[in-house]
Amino acid sequence: AQKVTQAQTEISVVEKEDVTLDCVYETRDTTYYLFWYKQPPSGELVFLIRRNSFDEQNEISGRYSWNFQKSTSSFNFTITASQVVDSAVYFCALSEERWAGGSQGNLIFGKGTKLSVKP
Amino acid sequence: ETGVTQTPRHLVMGMTNKKSLKCEQHLGHNAMYWYKQSAKKPLELMFVYSLEERVENNSVPSRFSPECPNSSHLFLHLHTLQPEDSALYLCASSQEVAVDEQYFGPGTRLTVT
Repeated sequence: AQKVTQAQTEISVVEKEDVTLDCVYETRDTTYYLFWYKQPPSGELVFLIRRNSFDEQNEISGRYSWNFQKSTSSFNFTITASQVVDSAVYFCALSEERWAGGSQGNLIFGKGTKLSVKP
Repeated sequence: ETGVTQTPRHLVMGMTNKKSLKCEQHLGHNAMYWYKQSAKKPLELMFVYSLEERVENNSVPSRFSPECPNSSHLFLHLHTLQPEDSALYLCASSQEVAVDEQYFGPGTRLTVT
């Protein structure tokens, strides 16, 4: 069954610290997609990254980086030199490319990690 | 307008009222979604539409009724709701179902009194 676990409920750091948000997933499929979204206090989810299961290359975008490891079923997200504007809830999500009893299109979200960056 | 828009942003309704939430996407996407986000619960997928055809209904009570008249518009019709239906309702769209990233609207904060 599909499952996404974000074990860290809340993290608090001081500005300029590096912080890593963990994401562990479960899937039976060989083809799947992983996502990270940011939800600032305004409420709107903002898409950050999409990764397919065949691409294990790490990605860096400015202060953001992602580490995808199939061996441990993890897709962790690191913010380098955190800033107050990074304060938000971050969601990891999983989608499988198959039809199985109506699960097509089902994006499974983790419960989110609330990041607070203090000045 | 750009991206995904939702109206109204806030809604207070009584349990006997009928109201509708509206979502419009300006991205040329083929798939649209309704999600419910309650306090202390993960995001719950409610409905998925692909090319105006419903492809997913996640055991949502019949007091929620979706409508997708075209690939750019999605409605959620509400009637005889319960207080536990109070939540943030988010609309999203993607190019194709499942494989593509979803772009979300700002949400409608619904309070049922």
